[in-house]
Amino acid sequence: EVQLVESGGGLVQPGGSLRLSCAASGFTFRNYSMNWVRQAPGKGLEWVSYVSSSGSTLHFADSVKGRFTISRDNAKNSLSLQMNSLRAEDTAVYYCARDSLPVAGGTGAFDIWGQGTMVTVSS
Amino acid sequence: DIQMTQSPSSLSASVGDRVTITCRTSQSINNYLNWYQQKPGKAPKLLIYAASTLQSGVPSRFSGSGSGPGFTLTISSLQPEDFATYYCQQSYTSPWTFGQGTKVEIK
Repeated sequence: EVQLVESGGGLVQPGGSLRLSCAASGFTFRNYSMNWVRQAPGKGLEWVSYVSSSGSTLHFADSVKGRFTISRDNAKNSLSLQMNSLRAEDTAVYYCARDSLPVAGGTGAFDIWGQGTMVTVSS
Repeated sequence: DIQMTQSPSSLSASVGDRVTITCRTSQSINNYLNWYQQKPGKAPKLLIYAASTLQSGVPSRFSGSGSGPGFTLTISSLQPEDFATYYCQQSYTSPWTFGQGTKVEIK
């Protein structure tokens, strides 16, 4: 079964750090670009970050640029999001999402999503 | 950044109704437009990609059309399991951006 499972969410104080992980299974992870997408409580979807299949190309939303880092370990079929200098507005469910096709650069459509992990930034 | 504007923000409809949701983009994106369905407490599900291509396993009552800057998602005959929130998303250029969502509720 093709599956993504996120972990690492929790409660953190403003200015703190958190590292999210996403474990992939059921497909050839190294062939697919991956993304993080978040959803604040009661709000819509916001794309956060992208990493190419090789890990050589990264993209970030302006709202997290300079604070978040995305990485992947293709040997371990895992994706990570390192979140530093967290703010209240980063409070959200964070989803990892697979690009729909194993092509260079990806397609930007997300066909497989994890169940999400909740990050709460509050004192 | 490319702005995505969905309309309406919400709608009430009955089982069997034909439902149309519109998404307008702030610039041309060719056909790099995707649609998702999200139910409460669940992850989004890809319905349509490249504006009009049905994702595998998605019922044929869902269809997409259009080319920049206006796109539509149509549900030909609304079923009970279709009550959800729908999002459009452009994949033309980073940052990928989503519409604000359209909530489809039971009338």
